[in-house]
Order: sequence, then C-alpha cells, then structure tokens
Amino acid sequence: LAKTTQPISMDSYEGQEVNITCSHNNIATNDYITWYQQFPSQGPRFIIQGYKTKVTNEVASLFIPADRKSSTLSLPRVSLSDTAVYYCLVGDIRHGGFKTIFGAGTRLFVKA
Amino acid sequence: EAGVTQSPTHLIKTRGQQATLRCSPISGHTSVYWYQQALGLGLQFLLWYDEGEERNRGNFPPRFSGRQFPNYSSELNVNALELEDSALYLCASSLRTQETQYFGPGTRLLVL
Repeated sequence: LAKTTQPISMDSYEGQEVNITCSHNNIATNDYITWYQQFPSQGPRFIIQGYKTKVTNEVASLFIPADRKSSTLSLPRVSLSDTAVYYCLVGDIRHGGFKTIFGAGTRLFVKA
Repeated sequence: EAGVTQSPTHLIKTRGQQATLRCSPISGHTSVYWYQQALGLGLQFLLWYDEGEERNRGNFPPRFSGRQFPNYSSELNVNALELEDSALYLCASSLRTQETQYFGPGTRLLVL
C-alpha cells in the first residue's frame, strides 16, 4: 500500500484558491488517488478521485502529473466552511485485499 | 438515498466493561470498514468486512472484534475497555469492487 506525505497544516483567506499537494512516490500501477475532507467530530467525506491527468467536479480539481508520484487537490475560492482536515489516500480499487490507511492529513484553516 | 448510519452517537463506559457499536451501510454496499480516531489524531484502520467475512484487520489487539450480518450491517465489539480506547469510532461502507468509502457520523466512546 503506497504511503502518502502531506503538509501538516495550511492557512488561507476566504476567496483564495488553495492547493494541497500529496506525495506518493511508491504508487503502484493499479492505485487510484482519493481525497477526503473531515470536519471535527464527523466522518470523512469523499471529495474526488483520479488516476491520471486532471479530474474536476463541482467541489474541487485533482491534478496528477504523468509520473503519478504526487497529486494536488485544488479548492477554488475557499470559504470559512472549508476549514477542515484533508486526507490523501492511494490504493488499488480492484476488489479484494484492500486496507485503507489514512495519514495525519492536512489541516486547512481559512481565515476571513 | 440514506447514508451510513451508526448507533449510538455517544457511549460512556467504565474500564473493564464491554462496548458494542453498530453500523448500517448504504443500501447496496457490501463492504463495511471500522476506524478509530483518537482526539486530534488521524484515522486508524480497525477492521474490514465484506460479504459477512473479516477481510483485513489493523494493528489492534484481539479485544477489538466485530462481525457483519447477512443484511451487511455490522457490529464492533470492544472488550475489557481501557481508558485509551476513548475515541471517535467511524464506520464506512463501499461497493465490493470500489475503494471509495462513505462514512457515517461516528460513535464517540468515552471510557472512564
């Protein structure tokens, strides 16, 4: 299971774009990259998932370079309510033999 | 569509007692995962059940156990409770062939 490294914390201001980068140097061929968001005392919430290049949904964008050894979660125009912990996970989505490891995540603090 | 539900929301026990936590997955999901999140820390993987069987287990002692029922709901049992078992216990579910996990609101266990 590929290990991930993320910054421990980040600060931003309302209206800014926030980019959180995750390193996963030993990502395997079948691994996908998934990001979750967690608010205090709540379960993590799925944000976005991708395999390569760029994925965009109504919440965020995910940029994955060709070597797939890192990925960047991009949150456009953050608001105070985006203050949360963001987790990057890497794993094989084929069924069987999967164990999820959440790292410490990145604590994003959005200021007014 | 109803999300993952967990009960109870809060549970207070004393050292040495047993705790039982329950989880109902999203309809159609066959995999259930359990995590422990101590205050201020990341998620620690506990157990993964699929189709009624334990598929994988994290680094926790045997007093942490569980089961999955024919309707795919699940129970987590913690025997001989210790003070350090105080944490938010999160349950997640996923489709058998997909990694994306959808989390419940958690059960906050306090051991006195």
